[in-house]
Amino acid sequence: TQLLEQSPQFLSIQEGENLTVYCNSSSVFSSLQWYRQEPGEGPVLLVTVVTGGEVKKLKRLTFQFGDARKDSSLHITAAQPGDTGLYLCAGTFLTNTNAGKSTFGDGTTLTVKP
Amino acid sequence: NAGVTQTPKFQVLKTGQSMTLQCAQDMNHEYMSWYRQDPGMGLRLIHYSVGAGITDQGEVPNGYNVSRSTTEDFPLRLLSAAPSQTSVYFCASSRGTGGFSPGEQYFGPGTRLTVT
Repeated sequence: TQLLEQSPQFLSIQEGENLTVYCNSSSVFSSLQWYRQEPGEGPVLLVTVVTGGEVKKLKRLTFQFGDARKDSSLHITAAQPGDTGLYLCAGTFLTNTNAGKSTFGDGTTLTVKP
Repeated sequence: NAGVTQTPKFQVLKTGQSMTLQCAQDMNHEYMSWYRQDPGMGLRLIHYSVGAGITDQGEVPNGYNVSRSTTEDFPLRLLSAAPSQTSVYFCASSRGTGGFSPGEQYFGPGTRLTVT
């Protein structure tokens, strides 16, 4: 079974601080998505990364895909209370046994205090 | 567009009862999936479909059945509910990436199921 590991599991910071969360696997991804989920709602797509070394920016959020396509990071600059939520990464692996499926990490629960 | 809709939003079942969770999408997406989410955990894949008439098992398929007679609808059936099936269930759809990978998924609001 191919796994996605996300770290840290919980993160509580003050408004204005910067933070980075990580998503790692021992296998190569064909693509990887980051989602944000608020309580009582379904996950909402933030970004997709496909190419090794790729960097994408979404306002104060910066997403990076590792050169070997086995890891990814999400960096938030000057966090705001509205960034509070569960951040999930999901990947599709290259190997045939997992073709057609997305595997989700357990997520990072972020709390930004005013 | 309504996107992905799920009904009901909440449901309480007794052990042994059966029910169907409904999921519909109006984006003409080929790929649809069912996930369950338990406290402190991410999403685990139950079943998925790459098109009408085609379904396959995910990571945790036992106790659940699916069918896909149309592109729009992908119902999930609980055959004989058990307390271990207490969870939040999410349906998702996507265009797919041509290689039967789901790619970017759009999720419904979820169904919160309690089995007593």
